[in-house]
Amino acid sequence: KAGVTQTPRYLIKTRGQQVTLSCSPISGHRSVSWYQQTPGQGLQFLFEYFSETQRNKGNFPGRFSGRQFSNSRSEMNVSTLELGDSALYLCASNSPLEEQYFGPGTRLTVT
Amino acid sequence: KQEVTQIPAALSVPEGENLVLNCSFTDSAIYNLQWFRQDPGKGLTSLLLIQSSQREQTSGRLNASLDKSSGRSTLYIAASQPGDSATYLCAVRDNDYKLSFGAGTTVTVRA
Repeated sequence: KAGVTQTPRYLIKTRGQQVTLSCSPISGHRSVSWYQQTPGQGLQFLFEYFSETQRNKGNFPGRFSGRQFSNSRSEMNVSTLELGDSALYLCASNSPLEEQYFGPGTRLTVT
Repeated sequence: KQEVTQIPAALSVPEGENLVLNCSFTDSAIYNLQWFRQDPGKGLTSLLLIQSSQREQTSGRLNASLDKSSGRSTLYIAASQPGDSATYLCAVRDNDYKLSFGAGTTVTVRA
């Protein structure tokens, strides 16, 4: 069974730009969660999608948005990038028993 | 609001010693609790999932217990090895499917 795929793995952007990250969950999983991880703040929950609907949302500004497609693939978008958005962005595929399987992450650097 | 605490933040033990990692949570109305390990710069690897109705789960040298009434889970790693060095995180999923992570315990196993 293929694992969780995240693309791209590494990204360098400039302040003010926007970025789109992609996550393909494990086949058969209908739920995807997104997290931001930084050395200072640890692992912070962004949002979770289940069958194309946002099920939960963390406390991030509106610059952070996401969506899920009918094939369960998910994207997250960050607009007007700030230096503080530099982080490892992790996607998790949630099984029907709500067990999370994480992808390798996308390392975003904002300069 | 669920709060998840992991103490201690860091732990160093000699090879062969048993590891005991603690996770406490404030709201006992949980759906499940999951333990992960994370190696530096990598994604999270699922170790054990304990459903709300379960008291413990075992996998090889790992055993996790859950006491909802006291808001605690403990991860035991028997006969530690240098390869067990990593950061261990616990995550609590509430009955409304919201997820909360602890800050993690960084373990170093000395050869």
